[in-house]
Amino acid sequence: GAVVSQHPSRVICKSGTSVKIECRSLDFQATTMFWYRQFPKQSLMLMATSNEGSKATYEQGVEKDKFLINHASLTLSTLTVTSAHPEDSSFYICSAIGTAGPYEQYFGPGTRLTVT
Amino acid sequence: GIQVEQSPPDLILQEGANSTLRCNFSDSVNNLQWFHQNPWGQLINLFYIPSGTKQNGRLSATTVATERYSLLYISSSQTTDSGVYFCAVERTNAGKSTFGDGTTLTVKP
Repeated sequence: GAVVSQHPSRVICKSGTSVKIECRSLDFQATTMFWYRQFPKQSLMLMATSNEGSKATYEQGVEKDKFLINHASLTLSTLTVTSAHPEDSSFYICSAIGTAGPYEQYFGPGTRLTVT
Repeated sequence: GIQVEQSPPDLILQEGANSTLRCNFSDSVNNLQWFHQNPWGQLINLFYIPSGTKQNGRLSATTVATERYSLLYISSSQTTDSGVYFCAVERTNAGKSTFGDGTTLTVKP
């Protein structure tokens, strides 16, 4: 159990376009999902916390108008990178926790975004 | 915010060797998890261990919450154990974790 999927696994887009990444909890309901960004050989950096039915909470320094997050249901959160630029190229990973404790995080397989 | 330090940053082992990875944290925590990130980037849950000791096959973990550290033991290491091991801690029990910088493990055949 506790499987989280992400789609797409890899995407290449042109500078100025927008890209949507989906994160789904497949076998459990997730009240809260998290979006992380990881640069090569670095740790995970939390970008935002996504709660079902409410606005996402962004970490300091993360532009909410650039990284749009929608948590429309208990099994789906989406991250849209708007007007992507080459510096947005990175590995984006989502995680989810269930509706009841313990609040153990389960991670998706990640999405590698390359902006040309 | 809470600080998380992992050591060593890099570790190279011969297949069959044992190892201990350490995670120190600067404040009391409600949650602590160990993850293995494989070469494809997937983070795999190893242990949810805010306190006490757990074992799963060749892996075991111990968290001494009062002394603010956790240890991950890998015995009889295999090449498939290679990757980055992350410790993630949380104070508030709401799922929002702080990650350490990880230990990169390379197991050579």
